[in-house]
Amino acid sequence: KAGVTQTPRYLIKTRGQQVTLSCSPISGHRSVSWYQQTPGQGLQFLFEYFSETQRNKGNFPGRFSGRQFSNSRSEMNVSTLELGDSALYLCASSLSQQDYNEQFFGPGTRLTVL
Amino acid sequence: AQSVTQLGSHVSVSEGALVLLRCNYSSSVPPYLFWYVQYPNQGLQLLLKYTSAATLVKGINGFEAEFKKSETSFHLTKPSAHMSDAAEYFCAVFAWSSYKLIFGSGTRLLVRP
Repeated sequence: KAGVTQTPRYLIKTRGQQVTLSCSPISGHRSVSWYQQTPGQGLQFLFEYFSETQRNKGNFPGRFSGRQFSNSRSEMNVSTLELGDSALYLCASSLSQQDYNEQFFGPGTRLTVL
Repeated sequence: AQSVTQLGSHVSVSEGALVLLRCNYSSSVPPYLFWYVQYPNQGLQLLLKYTSAATLVKGINGFEAEFKKSETSFHLTKPSAHMSDAAEYFCAVFAWSSYKLIFGSGTRLLVRP
């Protein structure tokens, strides 16, 4: 079974631009979570989607948004990029939200904002 | 609120020596606890998890961790370090209320030949 895939793997943008990152979960997984990893703040939860609905959101500004499609694939968007948005963005998928299910992580998208 | 604290941002051991990475948790409910490993330019890989069954949990690559409620600890150990163990290790607790993992700040393990 294929793992979680994230595209692109690397991205370079300039301040003020916007960016869209994509995550394809493991087949059959319906929950997708996003995390931001930076040297200063570590791993922080962005949001979680289940059946196309955002169920939980972390403490990030409204510039960070996401969505989930009917096939469970998810995208996250960051508008008006700032230098501090440079980070590794990790996506994780799990079977469902009804009970704890192990979260499987993708390789991440490394975003650099210049 | 739930949290985890990892003691030591960097740990250095000799190849063949014991690996001990420390994690303490805070939780008002019985916690689900995890250790993840991250190699350079990769995502997170689950090493092991504690979900209220046996307190001694065995994981992949020879790692194990013991849940100690009295000490609110979940330290990760491996009897004999291998060069390939050099990576960053994260302890995490699962927050049921928001269905998210709360991570510690990470410990970078260096293995000396």
